[in-house]
Amino acid sequence: EVQLVESGGGLVQPGGSLRLSCAASGFTLSRYWLHWVRQVPGKGLVWVSGFESDGSTTISADSVKGRFTTSRDNAKNTLYLQMNSLRAEDTAVYYCARVDPRVRRPYWYFDLWGRGTLVTVSS
Amino acid sequence: SSELTQDPAVSVALGQTVRITCHGDSLRTYYANWYQQKPGQAPILVIYGKNNRPSGIPDRLSGSSSGNTASLTVTGAQAEDEADYYCNSRDNSGNFHVVFGGGTKLTVL
Repeated sequence: EVQLVESGGGLVQPGGSLRLSCAASGFTLSRYWLHWVRQVPGKGLVWVSGFESDGSTTISADSVKGRFTTSRDNAKNTLYLQMNSLRAEDTAVYYCARVDPRVRRPYWYFDLWGRGTLVTVSS
Repeated sequence: SSELTQDPAVSVALGQTVRITCHGDSLRTYYANWYQQKPGQAPILVIYGKNNRPSGIPDRLSGSSSGNTASLTVTGAQAEDEADYYCNSRDNSGNFHVVFGGGTKLTVL
């Protein structure tokens, strides 16, 4: 089955760190672009960061730039989101989502989403 | 960076037709995509590009666009269409960011 499964969420104190994982199954993760999207419970979707091309291109929202970094382990078919200097406003469900790099402008879309993992930043 | 604007809530009578709209400058460069999210579930792609549906999405959902506005139309709304709908596209300001609309809560009466 083609799917993405996030893990690693939990409770962390402000200023702390957490690493989220996004494991792919049914396809080769390195052939796709992967992004992180978060959602505060009861609120809307907010884009966080993206890992594109051959892994040399990482893009991040201004709100997380310098604090969050994305990496990939091709052998484990897994994407990671390292979150440092966490703040209360980072509390959200974090989803990873896939983009097929073969699509060309004006097309661009997330064709597969994981179920998400909840991160709670609180003392 | 770009923004996408949606009405927060829309309602429709069972079996009737409803349109959900999304406005934003990025839609002049990229097609809007639409995602459906039900309570406690992850979003799923329902419309992408000009008017394309992934496998398994009913044809009563359709998309259209003109200028900086995209629309999702539900023709003959069913109870199972009640959900939050989000539009999204790539940011067209050159930073390769991604933008989402604030979401529209669709209630089927």
